[in-house]
Amino acid sequence: DAGVIQSPRHEVTEMGQEVTLRCKPISGHNSLFWYRQTMMRGLELLIYFNNNVPIDDSGMPEDRFSAKMPNASFSTLKIQPSEPRDSAVYFCASSHRRPGTSNYGYTFGSGTRLTVV
Amino acid sequence: SQQGEEDPQALSIQEGENATMNCSYKTSINNLQWYRQNSGRGLVHLILIRSNEREKHSGRLRVTLDTSKKSSSLLITASRAADTASYFCATVPTGANSKLTFGKGITLSVRP
Repeated sequence: DAGVIQSPRHEVTEMGQEVTLRCKPISGHNSLFWYRQTMMRGLELLIYFNNNVPIDDSGMPEDRFSAKMPNASFSTLKIQPSEPRDSAVYFCASSHRRPGTSNYGYTFGSGTRLTVV
Repeated sequence: SQQGEEDPQALSIQEGENATMNCSYKTSINNLQWYRQNSGRGLVHLILIRSNEREKHSGRLRVTLDTSKKSSSLLITASRAADTASYFCATVPTGANSKLTFGKGITLSVRP
């Protein structure tokens, strides 16, 4: 298995532009998570899906952020419009089953480093 | 808010020495996990310990869990330069819809 695949690896965009980050989870994993990592705030969970359904989006910072999971093998995180404070590394992770009912670890992708200028 | 808090924030040791990292958390948990992150890379799952377990081993890693003190420790024995990375403690609180929450991490430097 190639692991969790994220694209692009790096994204530089101008303030106000739309940004779309993509993730392909590991086949057979039922839960998918989007995290954001910054020096100031560490790793923050933005949203997670179980069986393609959003379970908890309380970490999504604003309405500018949206996430979808149209099928078991693909998810997107969109920021529209982007702002400089959105600059961070965004990670996607997947796991068997939802966290509270599972004793499996997460597999993380390599992340997308987003810079908004 | 951070559920797990690691201690120390940074640790520098000589190759061959043991490295001990600690984590404290606030609420009752389903399990506790440790992850490693090399610079510029994603997180790698190292080990998971369930709330009813007290100690677990994996290769040169030893994890302990004390639920009465709400704390865990990660011991890396016979450290190598390749162990240089950030290490994160993460907890899953009890509850079906609970989520994995990470601490801010410990930066470990192993000098050759």
